[in-house]
Amino acid sequence: EVQLVESGGGLVQPKGSLKLSCAASGFDFNSYGMSWVRQAPGKGLDLVADISSKSYNYATYYADSVKDRFTISRDDSQSMVYLQMDNLKTEDTALYYCTVSTAYWGQGTLVTVSS
Amino acid sequence: DIQMTQSPSSMSVSLGDTVTITCRASQDVGIYVNWFQQKPGKSPRRMIYRATNLADGVPSRFSGSRSGSDYSLTISSLESEDVADYHCLQYDEYPYTFGAGTKLELK
Repeated sequence: EVQLVESGGGLVQPKGSLKLSCAASGFDFNSYGMSWVRQAPGKGLDLVADISSKSYNYATYYADSVKDRFTISRDDSQSMVYLQMDNLKTEDTALYYCTVSTAYWGQGTLVTVSS
Repeated sequence: DIQMTQSPSSMSVSLGDTVTITCRASQDVGIYVNWFQQKPGKSPRRMIYRATNLADGVPSRFSGSRSGSDYSLTISSLESEDVADYHCLQYDEYPYTFGAGTKLELK
């Protein structure tokens, strides 16, 4: 059974930092790209960042809104994917989901950016 | 960026209805469209992949189709468990973009 478990969300002040983690299990993690998708309260879904597998040289993609502030990474030895979020803005407030090929999704971790 | 214009934004439905939700792509995205169901407080669930393929475990009353740049999700004989939000996604090119969502509500 595929499982994705996110953690690391919380309340942070503007310009602060948070690091989200996603623990994956139940599939061949090394072979799949991983993504972070967020959903602001009452809003739609937005792809934030993704990272390909080693076969594709761990290529990364970032939404323009988070470029130069967020960093996605992965640890294949631990089946983990991370999202380092720096210089957070109020508009980053959202539920952050970890997903593999959008076929499977975690339960999400809530990030609230507020003073 | 490719826009996915999803309609309607909301829909009042009755049990047993046939419901169709559409996303129009602003440029060619081929077959690279997925559909997701999302219930309140829950994560999205993939229902359709590559425009027309039923995801594992999804009831056969759900179907996906394509006509040119229009992609549709159809639910035949709507059941109460189908009342949810639905989202489309194009993943032909970055930035992958979602439609704005459709909310189904019971009359």
